[in-house]
Amino acid sequence: DSGVTQTPKHLITATGQRVTLRCSPRSGDLSVYWYQQSLDQGLQFLIQYYNGEERAKGNILERFSAQQFPDLHSELNLSSLELGDSALYFCASCFGEGGTDTQYFGPGTRLTVL
Amino acid sequence: QQQVKQSPQSLIVQKGGISIINCAYENTAFDYFPWYQQFPGKGPALLIAIRPDVSEKKEGRFTISFNKSAKQFSLHIMDSQPGDSATYFCAASRNYGGSQGNLIFGKGTKLSVKP
Repeated sequence: DSGVTQTPKHLITATGQRVTLRCSPRSGDLSVYWYQQSLDQGLQFLIQYYNGEERAKGNILERFSAQQFPDLHSELNLSSLELGDSALYFCASCFGEGGTDTQYFGPGTRLTVL
Repeated sequence: QQQVKQSPQSLIVQKGGISIINCAYENTAFDYFPWYQQFPGKGPALLIAIRPDVSEKKEGRFTISFNKSAKQFSLHIMDSQPGDSATYFCAASRNYGGSQGNLIFGKGTKLSVKP
């Protein structure tokens, strides 16, 4: 158990809908990263927050947004969903904001868009 | 543009054998190279990591070999066991004085260790 929790574990929704994925980092960790895992694209970085502020953006679509709250949990919002958004979404946390800190991954949320 | 290339895509090894997975990177600014292990239905978990100031790092049966001039690094699993059957990802990241740290992952290698 990494100490990172993600809810829900599974999510099934229809095209055009909006969903929210939630992540609680390990106790004491200040950074939260979001990654998308799909069969064709592999694991891709979406966005990073550190202590409530956005730190880095990767291949995140404009239909997607995220935030980190004062209690350091983070939410990833996906809107106008398309079939191609079906994937596993992972969050990872680490203490610092740098690249050499170990990132601990949560169990993921499997999103299925029908 | 894929910045970290991983091979092979899949690997079958007999119990007790050596598993070798290779990765190559393009960006010389990368300064941290972890390997993650992922079991079905689970999130990736850090296995072992190396920084470019050393050429090899060993932890138990797992060894990373790093060749800075060739921009390549590899994972060796000695005495492979059926419990090692999982998907392995190499990754790379860079540290802009603490401002960025996202991991760039390879496509993964599915390892099956036959008893």
